[in-house]
Amino acid sequence: KNQVEQSPQSLIILEGKNCTLQCNYTVSPFSNLRWYKQDTGRGPVSLTIMTFSENTKSNGRYTATLDADTKQSSLHITASQLSDSASYICVVSARGSQGNLIFGKGTKLSVKP
Amino acid sequence: GAGVSQTPSNKVTEKGKYVELRCDPISGHTALYWYRQSLGQGPEFLIYFQGTGAADDSGLPNDRFFAVRPEGSVSTLKIQRTERGDSAVYLCASSRGLAEYNEQFFGPGTRLTVL
Repeated sequence: KNQVEQSPQSLIILEGKNCTLQCNYTVSPFSNLRWYKQDTGRGPVSLTIMTFSENTKSNGRYTATLDADTKQSSLHITASQLSDSASYICVVSARGSQGNLIFGKGTKLSVKP
Repeated sequence: GAGVSQTPSNKVTEKGKYVELRCDPISGHTALYWYRQSLGQGPEFLIYFQGTGAADDSGLPNDRFFAVRPEGSVSTLKIQRTERGDSAVYLCASSRGLAEYNEQFFGPGTRLTVL
């Protein structure tokens, strides 16, 4: 069964610190992997998208990595800001799925002053 | 429009009632998706439109759920005989083409509460 698992479920860090969120997936055949940020009460917003051949992609203070062999991805946030407080969702697309994306449950990040 | 919009933002209804949720996608986006997100969970796929036709409705939980996109733009998700378990946030997303290869843009969602 195609699944996306994320850890930790929730995380609290102090402003200015770095953190890394994890994503493991069993989706096959793999097409691409995305990280979304979802603020409370809002729809998800795309941060990065990576295909099989890409193993790292950055978007400002966000850096995503992908290991397609081990089916793992991480999202690293540098120098966290209060506005980074949100849920971060890992999403995987299977090849030929036409966009029936498989979402993880998300990691809820709280950045404290 | 500038982004995907959804109306209403909140809907409270009683068990057994009929509801309609509306989605206005980004102009020119041919693909439109509906998702359901329960508290503490990621979005779950419901249905996908390419143009006016439902290309994949495999995520609809049962025949009480139905969606249309008659002119290939605005879409309406319809839920008959609502049940308390239908309470969730219903998200709509659109993309230029198949979301497998294109970025999806999400609306803010409609929070449905069935009493």
